[in-house]
Amino acid sequence: GAGVSQSPRYKVAKRGQDVALRCDPISGHVSLFWYQQALGQGPEFLTYFQNEAQLDKSGLPSDRFFAERPEGSVSTLKIQRTQQEDSAVYLCASSLAVRTVLTYNEQFFGPGTRLTVL
Amino acid sequence: AQKITQTQPGMFVQEKEAVTLDCTYDTSDPSYGLFWYKQPSSGEMIFLIYQGSYDQQNATEGRYSLNFQKARKSANLVISASQLGDSAMYFCAMREGGSNYQLIWGAGTKLIIKP
Repeated sequence: GAGVSQSPRYKVAKRGQDVALRCDPISGHVSLFWYQQALGQGPEFLTYFQNEAQLDKSGLPSDRFFAERPEGSVSTLKIQRTQQEDSAVYLCASSLAVRTVLTYNEQFFGPGTRLTVL
Repeated sequence: AQKITQTQPGMFVQEKEAVTLDCTYDTSDPSYGLFWYKQPSSGEMIFLIYQGSYDQQNATEGRYSLNFQKARKSANLVISASQLGDSAMYFCAMREGGSNYQLIWGAGTKLIIKP
């Protein structure tokens, strides 16, 4: 596929369960971002990878959230001991490179994973 | 303080009319980029248009144009000749030069086009 894919598209978890959300970026894209979008709100930045290096994790809301991109392509966002406030859509985006904010450097988004914690 | 403000939670517009979606931003970084994305009910974010802080001309992409007023820190999206398929959430976002280039998002505007 040509676009960013995410799986699963929907996930229902009981409070306290661990979940893993997967993102397959566009092939060759260096940068990968995770965002959290609560219902009726704009996305909020979670974390950023440049190849396999996690350069910014300042947006992760707690130490229950963990992300990795071990080979610089597929990324996994893991949430341990899920809480109801974790219910949201988790968006993954990739872009070709990061050089300067002044370039176009569009971020391409996946369809998101809707997580519902009961 | 909010870095991106979209003051219109929802808008109804008659089909074929033009519509302006408001966005104001706040940054002290002289280098930044402004984006508009569309999010239909299916959930995916669709890129519409980009404006760089040093661009001299307002950006245009087909029916979309960006009314960039730098001194007022305003980057309104204009959709000409609206279509039923334009019904969606619209988000304004900013990327600052001093950051790791993540996008900072507004709360969005829900646009509904009436037939």
